[in-house]
Amino acid sequence: RKEVEQDPGPFNVPEGATVAFNCTYSNSASQSFFWYRQDCRKEPKLLMSVYSSGNEDGRFTAQLNRASQYISLLIRDSKLSDSATYLCVDFIKPSGYALNFGKGTSLLVTP
Amino acid sequence: DGGITQSPKYLFRKEGQNVTLSCEQNLNHDAMYWYRQDPGQGLRLIYYSQIVNDFQKGDIAEGYSVSREKKESFPLTVTSAQKNPTAFYLCASSIGLGAWEQFFGPGTRLTVL
Repeated sequence: RKEVEQDPGPFNVPEGATVAFNCTYSNSASQSFFWYRQDCRKEPKLLMSVYSSGNEDGRFTAQLNRASQYISLLIRDSKLSDSATYLCVDFIKPSGYALNFGKGTSLLVTP
Repeated sequence: DGGITQSPKYLFRKEGQNVTLSCEQNLNHDAMYWYRQDPGQGLRLIYYSQIVNDFQKGDIAEGYSVSREKKESFPLTVTSAQKNPTAFYLCASSIGLGAWEQFFGPGTRLTVL
């Protein structure tokens, strides 16, 4: 399957900072995109979906650029609790098993 | 509470032994999945099942086997043929195969000694 590429980081930012992650995908047939959050040694959990029109949930904003085949996640006013690995995921329905995970971007928010 | 359970949380195995990882869900989901995660790596799909008594190989099925005799259960056997089995194993489920949101269990960390 075609890769989803992410900058592995780590991104070290102070509390209150704004941080942005990008992710590129290579399969133009990808239909939907998501960001999952994974805490250290835990299971991934869905953070938010990404739509062409953009998607905002509180301090988190996700954007999709189909022309350039990348998606982004913006975190404003970073909290210590935002420290985690963020996984970029694409979804191709006809492929059956669907979800295709990137390797993740590590974020560490420091006091 | 609805959810996915995996057991055990930590598992140690001697080289050459088969071992079975448990995955149970009470979400009434049709589709279930097994992933493997290595340090610094993304999740890689081992097997998936759309419905009872049916399952398909994922990207890295060699050395693994599964069964789906009940809707709620999707156990994974790591056989001695798996060359590098030490990893974090995650089970997930979704409403159906075409549903994009997958819910994950807490994982089993397998170490081969």
